[in-house]
Amino acid sequence: KQEVTQIPAALSVPEGENLVLNCSFTDSAIYNLQWFRQDPGKGLTSLLLIQSSQREQTSGRLNASLDKSSGRSTLYIAASQPGDSATYLCAVNGGATNKLIFGTGTLLAVQP
Amino acid sequence: ETGVTQSPTHLIKTRGQQVTLRCSSQSGHNTVSWYQQALGQGPQFIFQYYREEENGRGNFPPRFSGLQFPNYSSELNVNALELDDSALYLCASSSGTGENIQYFGAGTRLSVL
Repeated sequence: KQEVTQIPAALSVPEGENLVLNCSFTDSAIYNLQWFRQDPGKGLTSLLLIQSSQREQTSGRLNASLDKSSGRSTLYIAASQPGDSATYLCAVNGGATNKLIFGTGTLLAVQP
Repeated sequence: ETGVTQSPTHLIKTRGQQVTLRCSSQSGHNTVSWYQQALGQGPQFIFQYYREEENGRGNFPPRFSGLQFPNYSSELNVNALELDDSALYLCASSSGTGENIQYFGAGTRLSVL
């Protein structure tokens, strides 16, 4: 059974810092891995999708990596801003039903 | 904006009642998945509908049921509501199943009193 874990559960950093969020999964047989952002009480915004054949994806200040063999992904945020404050969720897609299995998220606070 | 809309945005019900949540998928998408997100948790997969047929179900009891219409919009029905059903319900649409990207709506916040 696939399980997804995110560390840390919460993180507070001063504005301008670079930071790394971690995601691990137990079954390496995945189609892809996706990182989402969720603002309080809101839906999910997709940030980056990494296919199983890829090692990383970049979008602006965000870079996500994938190491299937070790069951790990990282989300790197460069030059953090207060507007980056949100919960970040990773999810793996491991089956024909396109069912996403989510971690519990990392709550990020960027202090001005 | 993902083009996925959910209604209503908020809902308050009492224990034992029934509720229907609605989702309009993004244009061109034929697959809708529903997730339940309890406070402080990641979303949990409820079920998926592909071309009007259920295509996979998570660990949820039969009182959670769904429907997909010919225009690919979808409903989630929950009977005999329990306090633990209080959560944010998210729907996501995609083009087909498998490895296609899912686009999420803003969710419906259900409170059961």
